[in-house]
Order: sequence, then structure tokens, then C-alpha cells
Amino acid sequence: EADIYQTPRYLVIGTGKKITLECSQTMGHDKMYWYQQDPGMELHLIHYSYGVNSTEKGDLSSESTVSRIRTEHFPLTLESARPSHTSQYLCASSEARPYEQYFGPGTRLTVT
Amino acid sequence: KNQVEQSPQSLIILEGKNCTLQCNYTVSPFSNLRWYKQDTGRGPVSLTIMTFSENTKSNGRYTATLDADTKQSSLHITASQLSDSASYICVVSDRGSTLGRLYFGRGTQLTVWP
Repeated sequence: EADIYQTPRYLVIGTGKKITLECSQTMGHDKMYWYQQDPGMELHLIHYSYGVNSTEKGDLSSESTVSRIRTEHFPLTLESARPSHTSQYLCASSEARPYEQYFGPGTRLTVT
Repeated sequence: KNQVEQSPQSLIILEGKNCTLQCNYTVSPFSNLRWYKQDTGRGPVSLTIMTFSENTKSNGRYTATLDADTKQSSLHITASQLSDSASYICVVSDRGSTLGRLYFGRGTQLTVWP
């Protein structure tokens, strides 16, 4: 079992609310990632980080933002949630040479 | 365009039976191929990872094969158990960037019936 944690596991909120999805890992990994996954679909990379103070956008355009102030922490923020943001969000981390990515349990977000 | 295609999309088998899942990819230049198991509502968990030079790797009842020439991989599950019910995702990494970009298939949804 990988030591990567996500909170909350489930979240139902109204349109326009600001939310932050938490992700933390205790493995000391430099690289961290956020993926978005809709049911029956492949994972899409929305943000990644090479290390502290390093963040990049991924392949899928996202209105979310991320920060990496500490190695172990990689939160994702939505300033104003919309129903189109309803999805599962998965956080992952890997060592410097990313042969293996370890995934967190995911956050299931529903925006009403 | 780099792609990963999996078949079948879904599969139902009886407990104790064997099954084989397929993965075809066009990712180039190839670095490695992974199979992940994703239980409903959970994050993916790695089963196997194979580099270019490896053509088979086992992890308990799971055996993955790789043919880098034809760009095909398979995951064979032996003596299936109810706990094998999950989505199995094929993931291919390229070596064209330091990120080691991952390309995900949509997964095969396996259901094991008693």
C-alpha cells in the first residue's frame, strides 16, 4: 500500500464554491501529479510538479490551480466550482525517475 | 498520435476461470508498459511493469506479456477470484521527456461471478 493520501474522499458542493482537494505523500517523492478521471474513461493529466515551487499544466485543460510549497503536499484548488467539474480526481507521486507512479485513493467530486 | 487501446471493454467470467486482457499501443519512443488494477472508487495499484527488453513478467496469478515489435501486451489472470473484479488499465510511458509521460488506456472492466 502506497503512502499517499487524499482528502476528502467524497465531496458534494454547490456551484460557485471554492474548494481545495488535499494530497500528501510520505515517501519523499519529488514528482507529484493530478489526474482527472470520468467513469469508463482514461485518466487525464491536469497538473504535475517536479519539486517544491515547480508546477506545470498537464495535457487536459483545467480551471484548477495547484501549489507545491512542501515536498509532501500538493493541493488542488477550484476557485469557483461548476457542474462540469464533477469527476474523480486522483493524485499520484513518483521518484525522480518515474518508472512507478503511486496513486492515492481519489476524491469523488460532485458539483450541483 | 500516441494511443493505448484495450480490449475487451468489459468481461464477465466465473470464479476459478482464466482470462486474458489485451492492450495495443502506438506510443513512441517506448519506455515501459504497466498494468494497473483499479477497484471501484479507488486509485490504480500497479501489478506489473515491463521495459523494452522484457517480454513476460508475473505477479502471483497475474502474468503480463509484451511484444515490443508488434506493440502489443496482454495480461493473463489465472484461477480468477471474486476480488479480481476491477478495472485493469494498461499504461505506456514514453522516453521522450524527463516527465516520462504516461498514456492511459480506458481499461477493461472485469467482473468475476461466483
